[in-house]
Amino acid sequence: AQSVTQLGSHVSVSEGALVLLRCNYSSSVPPYLFWYVQYPNQGLQLLLKYTTGATLVKGINGFEAEFKKSETSFHLTKPSAHMSDAAEYFCAVTRGPSGGYQKVTFGIGTKLQVIP
Amino acid sequence: DTAVSQTPKYLVTQMGNDKSIKCEQNLGHDTMYWYKQDSKKFLKIMFSYNNKELIINETVPNRFSPKSPDKAHLNLHINSLELGDSAVYFCASSQVEQGVRGAFFGQGTRLTVV
Repeated sequence: AQSVTQLGSHVSVSEGALVLLRCNYSSSVPPYLFWYVQYPNQGLQLLLKYTTGATLVKGINGFEAEFKKSETSFHLTKPSAHMSDAAEYFCAVTRGPSGGYQKVTFGIGTKLQVIP
Repeated sequence: DTAVSQTPKYLVTQMGNDKSIKCEQNLGHDTMYWYKQDSKKFLKIMFSYNNKELIINETVPNRFSPKSPDKAHLNLHINSLELGDSAVYFCASSQVEQGVRGAFFGQGTRLTVV
């Protein structure tokens, strides 16, 4: 079984401020973790992913996330928010390379608002 | 160039009608999915197909029937549409064997039942 919890359905930051979107997961096997972004009226776009190897992963648009197994977390950060970052962000988990089918489980999403 | 494409992008229809949403992927993936995103933005998996075989079938009304003519296509047919079916439906694909890719999503189909 796997699940994802995103803390805070709405997050507001000032332009130029640090962005921190929280994600905790549970998985009975080593997970693969993802962050997706959904801009208004658009589909989901993969922002970054953790599979194996380095626990700090970098994605597009200056975002990065760190996989912390001890904390079962995969928080998304960006040093300086830009107005164009305003969107909905989804954390997701799936099983690692254990064979079988990859059911991707999503969190409920966090809406990021950037204030000028 | 579109990796996962869905048609139509918008669909407005009356209660009781039957409608279909088509999905195609050109990534060579062997697994495809249908997700429903409700008004609260929660994404819930509905179906998953691997090489044209139904793998995941969550608790979804029988009015929803997926069809996969080949591994590049996964269509969703909905019978007797109800108001509660209004949502955005996302098609997605991934490669199981590689196991390293996040699912690629289509642009979504916004279904409005009136």
